Amino acid sequence: KQEVTQIPAALSVPEGENLVLNCSFTDSAIYNLQWFRQDPGKGLTSLLLIQSSQREQTSGRLNASLDKSSGRSTLYIAASQPGDSATYLCAVIGANNLFFGTGTRLTVIP
Amino acid sequence: DAGITQSPRHKVTETGTPVTLRCHQTENHRYMYWYRQDPGHGLRLIHYSYGVKDTDKGEVSDGYSVSRSKTEDFLLTLESATSSQTSVYFCAISERDPQETQYFGPGTRLLVL
Repeated sequence: KQEVTQIPAALSVPEGENLVLNCSFTDSAIYNLQWFRQDPGKGLTSLLLIQSSQREQTSGRLNASLDKSSGRSTLYIAASQPGDSATYLCAVIGANNLFFGTGTRLTVIP
Repeated sequence: DAGITQSPRHKVTETGTPVTLRCHQTENHRYMYWYRQDPGHGLRLIHYSYGVKDTDKGEVSDGYSVSRSKTEDFLLTLESATSSQTSVYFCAISERDPQETQYFGPGTRLLVL
């Protein structure tokens, strides 16, 4: 069974700092990987989807990388802002299922 | 945002009663999913549908059933609610297959007493 781990569970950074969130998975036979953002009491918002054939995907200040062979993905956030404060979830996409990590709770301090 | 609504948004019920949660989409997407989110477990797939009347089980399907009689609606039924089914339930959709971007609804918070 696919296991997805996100470390650290929580992270606090001052505004303006660049940061990296980590996601690791145990089975490299994945289709794609998706990063989400979840605000307290809200649903999930899709940030980026990286196909298994891709190494990187960028959207604005966000850059996600994928290394299937090592079972790792990173989400890089440039010039962090207080509005980036949320929980970030990665999900590994299998044939019919998404396997989620438990998330990293990010706080950006003004 | 994808047009996904869930109802009810909050529900309190008693152990042993049946409960039905509704997911409605306006995107005409083929795939629909039900997940539950619990502290320490992340989100886990309960059931999914790949078309009208076409459904399959996910990772944690015991105690749940689903139905999809129309493209836009996907119902999740807890046949006899238990306290272990207290959770936040999310519906999601994807356009053609599960490998595409999944879009999530706002969630239903269910408390079983």
